[in-house]
Amino acid sequence: NAGVTQTPKFQVLKTGQSMTLQCAQDMNHNSMYWYRQDPGMGLRLIYYSASEGTTDKGEVPNGYNVSRLNKREFSLRLESAAPSQTSVYFCASSDLATNEKLFFGSGTQLSVL
Amino acid sequence: SQQGEEDPQALSIQEGENATMNCSYKTSINNLQWYRQNSGRGLVHLILIRSNEREKHSGRLRVTLDTSKKSSSLLITASRAADTASYFCATEGTSGTYKYIFGTGTRLKVLA
Repeated sequence: NAGVTQTPKFQVLKTGQSMTLQCAQDMNHNSMYWYRQDPGMGLRLIYYSASEGTTDKGEVPNGYNVSRLNKREFSLRLESAAPSQTSVYFCASSDLATNEKLFFGSGTQLSVL
Repeated sequence: SQQGEEDPQALSIQEGENATMNCSYKTSINNLQWYRQNSGRGLVHLILIRSNEREKHSGRLRVTLDTSKKSSSLLITASRAADTASYFCATEGTSGTYKYIFGTGTRLKVLA
């Protein structure tokens, strides 16, 4: 099993460009999450999806949109990238009915110039 | 604002010593989890403690939870160089939203 797979691993954007970060999990988990990690700030929750068909805002949702495409996939879209969105983005998933722990992808390092 | 605050922000110890890090949080919780992150990689789950538990052990890890003080501590005994990493606490509120909020982390360095 691959676990949680994120693509791309690295991306450089110019201010105003758009892009979508992809995340897929093969563990049949119901819940999926997007976090961003900035130096000294720990992880901050952007959006999460408790189950297929639902999405909810986290701590820092402004400037982002998400799509829970199916049970496996949860994408994060930046419609008009800003330098403040330079960060490392992590996707995570969890089977809350059984063990509640989060499984993380390896991250996407995004730079917005 | 973030739910959890870890203390200290950074910790440097010798191999074989014990490492203790603390997490304080703001609101009532269902459970609290600790995660480890090596060199900017994805986080790895270490241990979960529920709000009705006071202490839990897993190998060299010992976690305590004091809900009256809204705080938790993670003790790593007999530390090894491989324990060098950042450690984060994460809390899930009682609202049942499955919304996990992370603290700011403690950077642990274990010197060989």
